[in-house]
Amino acid sequence: GIQVEQSPPDLILQEGANSTLRCNFSDSVNNLQWFHQNPWGQLINLFYIPSGTKQNGRLSATTVATERYSLLYISSSQTTDSGVYFCAVERGGTSYGKLTFGQGTILTVHP
Amino acid sequence: DADVTQTPRNRITKTGKRIMLECSQTKGHDRMYWYRQDPGLGLRLIYYSFDVKDINKGEISDGYSVSRQAQAKFSLSLESAIPNQTALYFCATSGQLGEQFFGPGTRLTVL
Repeated sequence: GIQVEQSPPDLILQEGANSTLRCNFSDSVNNLQWFHQNPWGQLINLFYIPSGTKQNGRLSATTVATERYSLLYISSSQTTDSGVYFCAVERGGTSYGKLTFGQGTILTVHP
Repeated sequence: DADVTQTPRNRITKTGKRIMLECSQTKGHDRMYWYRQDPGLGLRLIYYSFDVKDINKGEISDGYSVSRQAQAKFSLSLESAIPNQTALYFCATSGQLGEQFFGPGTRLTVL
């Protein structure tokens, strides 16, 4: 099956710093999503981004499908950004409609 | 009101007991999913359903069964719970684009 690798596994920041999270995948995809899991366990859908660039406030994401990677940018980080960030992809074909998740990046933002 | 709800939110049970986790959605989506998350790991797909008459196994379906009672309802059952089924369980829905939206999760502990 498709492999999804996220880096770094852990990231510690001071409030106000910027960061970039990376997601590499091993095959072509129809669908790529970024999620944030907050400290209470809730999974929040951040971006649906199979290709191109999107921005939502302090967060933006870019997917370069031909090179099989996606980047999530967090600017001016806040303590509420802490949690785990997951990348998930859908391969299509027999995997149509099914997401495969990476292992996540644990982000800790200190005040 | 939340678009995707799960009941119960927390459950402690004993080995051998039958457990049902329920999921309801008001998003009008045809596709519904059940995932489990273990500490330090990403999400793994248990079962999914693309409409009321369609049920499919995911990557870790052994020991689980599901029922799609209506477009809006998808339940997960553990016929005879065992301790290694202790995990956080998530229900999700998606529309035709494949963008997935998650419920708040059910924390299940099997003693």
